[in-house]
Amino acid sequence: EDKVVQSPLSLVVHEGDTVTLNCSYEVTNFRSLLWYKQEKKAPTFLFMLTSSGIEKKSGRLSSILDKKELFSILNITATQTGDSAIYLCAVEANFGNEKLTFGTGTRLTIIP
Amino acid sequence: NAGVTQTPKFQVLKTGQSMTLQCAQDMNHNSMYWYRQDPGMGLRLIYYSASEGTTDKGEVPNGYNVSRLNKREFSLRLESAAPSQTSVYFCASSVLGAVGQPQHFGDGTRLSIL
Repeated sequence: EDKVVQSPLSLVVHEGDTVTLNCSYEVTNFRSLLWYKQEKKAPTFLFMLTSSGIEKKSGRLSSILDKKELFSILNITATQTGDSAIYLCAVEANFGNEKLTFGTGTRLTIIP
Repeated sequence: NAGVTQTPKFQVLKTGQSMTLQCAQDMNHNSMYWYRQDPGMGLRLIYYSASEGTTDKGEVPNGYNVSRLNKREFSLRLESAAPSQTSVYFCASSVLGAVGQPQHFGDGTRLSIL
């Protein structure tokens, strides 16, 4: 059974701090790992990672994948109150049907 | 620029009532999915449809049925609602087989079963 574990479950930091969110996985026939941000409604896509060691960046957010150790991290630098959200990690396996297995998410709260 | 549209946004049912949640996407995606999200459980796949005319069970299909009406629409039906089905339901869609194309989600339906 595919499994995705995120840590920490919740995190409270002050505005301007840097945070690191973790995602480890056990998946048969790994294809890709995805990060989503969920505020009040729909999860919105952040990154998709398919190869080890390649960093994906978008502004203050960055993510990297380690396929050997089966984990990914999501970094957010110079955090802002708008970064407050649940961050979801998901793994895609079994090429052809694109089913995602999600972790339980990390709830990030930024204090002004 | 609608993307994935779900209706209704909120619904309260009594135990035993039936209900159909509607989902439509305008991105010409092949694949569509239904998830439920419960506190501390993350998103769990209920059913998915890899392409028009096909549907398959996900992780938690019991108590649900689906219909892929056409390429755009994928509905989820609760035949006899139970309190355990109180949850937030998300529909998603994606381009089947396209590398680097993520699933896109609707805004969700918050369903309460009394």
